[in-house]
Amino acid sequence: GAGVSQSPRYKVAKRGQDVALRCDPISGHVSLFWYQQALGQGPEFLTYFQNEAQLDKSGLPSDRFFAERPEGSVSTLKIQRTQQEDSAVYLCASSRQGSLPGNEKLFFGSGTQLSVL
Amino acid sequence: AQSVTQLGSHVSVSEGALVLLRCNYSSSVPPYLFWYVQYPNQGLQLLLKYTTGATLVKGINGFEAEFKKSETSFHLTKPSAHMSDAAEYFCALNTDKLIFGTGTRLQVFP
Repeated sequence: GAGVSQSPRYKVAKRGQDVALRCDPISGHVSLFWYQQALGQGPEFLTYFQNEAQLDKSGLPSDRFFAERPEGSVSTLKIQRTQQEDSAVYLCASSRQGSLPGNEKLFFGSGTQLSVL
Repeated sequence: AQSVTQLGSHVSVSEGALVLLRCNYSSSVPPYLFWYVQYPNQGLQLLLKYTTGATLVKGINGFEAEFKKSETSFHLTKPSAHMSDAAEYFCALNTDKLIFGTGTRLQVFP
């Protein structure tokens, strides 16, 4: 596609439910990033993939959060046993190069807004 | 530690007035600095970036920013605001990962 696509656009989950958020990066982009944006805050780094390899997951807030990119294209962010504090917009971004961000431009999706009741 | 501070969570200007959005950073290594804009229900878009070289950087939609190492600042300006500039603006610092400030919401009044 022309841009980074994320689905679903909105997700409402009951506390304790598992959710899966999908990201389709721009075709051919090597790097993929997940960010969490709480209301009124800037995006905060969660994890980074270079192709299928997860090179940095230092931002994942707990072991309930898991991300994968098995074939080096589409990525899924899974949150198990959701809690109210998980409510946020989850942003996915991709970039063409395989190196760490540096001066590389990131292309962002519109995000998935997760609300945990 | 690397960090970004945006002064002022909300800025309001009249159409045609100067826009100034402030950003200060902290970095132990020479930084790459970015400004991103987020329109409602859209993803973040890159406005401009500073890597090396010229300290005055020009971006899209008439925005520009000046890197001032002595002041550890990277303020965003636009000489004349337009209604379409109303959005959330994020300053970001890049070392091994992109670190964002908390954002400044720009309102433009007619």
